[in-house]
Amino acid sequence: EPEVTQTPSHQVTQMGQEVILRCVPISNHLYFYWYRQILGQKVEFLVSFYNNEISEKSEIFDDQFSVERPDGSNFTLKIRSTKLEDSAMYFCASSEQTGGFSGANVLTFGAGSRLTVL
Amino acid sequence: AQSVTQPDIHITVSEGASLELRCNYSYGATPYLFWYVQSPGQGLQLLLKYFSGDTLVQGIKGFEAEFKRSQSSFNLRKPSVHWSDAAEYFCAVGARNQGGKLIFGQGTELSVKP
Repeated sequence: EPEVTQTPSHQVTQMGQEVILRCVPISNHLYFYWYRQILGQKVEFLVSFYNNEISEKSEIFDDQFSVERPDGSNFTLKIRSTKLEDSAMYFCASSEQTGGFSGANVLTFGAGSRLTVL
Repeated sequence: AQSVTQPDIHITVSEGASLELRCNYSYGATPYLFWYVQSPGQGLQLLLKYFSGDTLVQGIKGFEAEFKRSQSSFNLRKPSVHWSDAAEYFCAVGARNQGGKLIFGQGTELSVKP
């Protein structure tokens, strides 16, 4: 069964450092997402991405965050200068084109990248 | 604003017993509804979804869920729980015209007693 692959599975960084989390979505999917889950809290939407641009972002996704699809297979989330409160599990997801943004997209999630900021 | 409530943080059931996990949502129109399961070290796996039509939906691993508009609920059920069902279960709601933006509940952790 096709999978969404995320690397690294766990990253520890110092406050103020830049972090890049990587994702390989399912190959025929065209919609990409990042979600995060702070320990003990809900899974929260960060950003959606389609056709090489951000479609929607939450208030969490401030100027410290950016996303990129640098080639035909990877989808990355960059945090420019990490803060303690960025410690969380970050989930990448992708979905097919069926339904599009006016319909229902069924997301396939990766296993997550756990980010620990010290 | 959309919201999802899973009232039970942690549930323990005996293996072979029936299971019902509760989910209530708040949304102005008919939402898209999902249940995901997360096993330790794994991603969020889709169990089932409701978009329209028959309000009783079947999913993988023997799970089913029933959409009740009058109660704004989408409870997950399984008639006989297996030890491998121990995991965290998330209910999520998606709005029409908002693509893949999902609002998640806080999750219910299921433990299974032998």
